[in-house]
Amino acid sequence: EAGVTQFPSHSVIEKGQTVTLRCDPISGHDNLYWYRRVMGKEIKFLLHFVKESKQDESGMPNNRFLAERTGGTYSTLKVQPAELEDSGVYFCASSQAFGETYEQYFGPGTRLTVT
Amino acid sequence: GNSVTQMEGPVTLSEEAFLTINCTYTATGYPSLFWYVQYPGEGLQLLLKATKADDKGSNKGFEATYRKETTSFHLEKGSVQVSDSAVYFCALSTYSSASKIIFGSGTRLSIRP
Repeated sequence: EAGVTQFPSHSVIEKGQTVTLRCDPISGHDNLYWYRRVMGKEIKFLLHFVKESKQDESGMPNNRFLAERTGGTYSTLKVQPAELEDSGVYFCASSQAFGETYEQYFGPGTRLTVT
Repeated sequence: GNSVTQMEGPVTLSEEAFLTINCTYTATGYPSLFWYVQYPGEGLQLLLKATKADDKGSNKGFEATYRKETTSFHLEKGSVQVSDSAVYFCALSTYSSASKIIFGSGTRLSIRP
């Protein structure tokens, strides 16, 4: 069974440009999460989808970030316009259901560098 | 608010040395506690977990005990191997915010042959 995949693995863009990150969850997982790790610090929660609906987007830093999950399958996270402080590693995770007993399976992450 | 504090790295050890990575937490209620590991080029993997006080999580020779009295969940391994080189993250989740995992800042571990 394929795990969570993310594309691209690395992205280098200039300040002011737009970048779109993609996450494909494990097949059959209705729950999809985005996290990011900035400047080697802690990994922080961004948002949580249940199917195509945003269950919790309390971690989204500002309105330059837009997450979508049309059709409840893969998800995209767009940053527009990108700023220097957006550099970091963006992780996606998925789970069959949500709650403490359901493990979140993480992808390898997308390393974003904004110059 | 809920938070996790873990020892800063990098930690460099020789093969077969004893490993401890300290982790303490602050949380309302009774959180579940986790250790995740990220090997080079791979995603985060759940290493072990404990869901209530005095539980011991274990996997691949690693152990951690949920200590409510000291709000700690230290990771230990008796004899590390080169293949254990990775970044280790302590984390928690609570019933009231079960969709969010709260992570520590990570500890990079390097093992010398």
